Amino acid sequence: DQQVKQNSPSLSVQEGRISILNCDYTNSMFDYFLWYKKYPAEGPTFLISISSIKDKNEDGRFTVFLNKSAKHLSLHIVPSQPGDSAVYFCAARDSRGSARQLTFGSGTQLTVLP
Amino acid sequence: DADVTQTPRNRITKTGKRIMLECSQTKGHDRMYWYRQDPGLGLRLIYYSFDVKDINKGEISDGYSVSRQAQAKFSLSLESAIPNQTALYFCATSDAGTGKEKLFFGSGTQLSVL
Repeated sequence: DQQVKQNSPSLSVQEGRISILNCDYTNSMFDYFLWYKKYPAEGPTFLISISSIKDKNEDGRFTVFLNKSAKHLSLHIVPSQPGDSAVYFCAARDSRGSARQLTFGSGTQLTVLP
Repeated sequence: DADVTQTPRNRITKTGKRIMLECSQTKGHDRMYWYRQDPGLGLRLIYYSFDVKDINKGEISDGYSVSRQAQAKFSLSLESAIPNQTALYFCATSDAGTGKEKLFFGSGTQLSVL
């Protein structure tokens, strides 16, 4: 049973518009959330994160929103650029235990059309 | 040079063969991880190590073993490869200090078991 779900395998957006990538989770013990971006033939790279004590974190064109009551987070990219075309993974950390490993979603392929 | 280097980049092997994937890092991080990526399943943790004398099983460790030869080196072995171990494998590192959830990934090893 996947605890972190990205229900949209793919998303296409026009350059300059907003991209919204969504992620849902089921584990109420998740306390920290991250987004990673992955280009073909490369490993994932960290993009942005948010603690469960916040509902928004912004870094340049990237903003992550967290709705704890709905167990939902989203990544907004404004404005979208062709170089943003990549697979985006959300990940969540379980607050319990010493290891506190990350659980990843299945990823969303974002394509930004010029 | 890449901070996290995986070798080989691609490998084709036959069922029943023993295979080793290698990972080395120059980031000076104590923590190292092995993940596999399968279509539709995201990244799943195989093994992780918090220091040279520490080895822990992840979510899907069956059929795999690891060795932490040094702080900078962490290898993954498939003792007897089977076709459902065909996947993209990633090594990752993280700092034990603040931001330990921020993983740094290698470029991956595409393994095909025939």
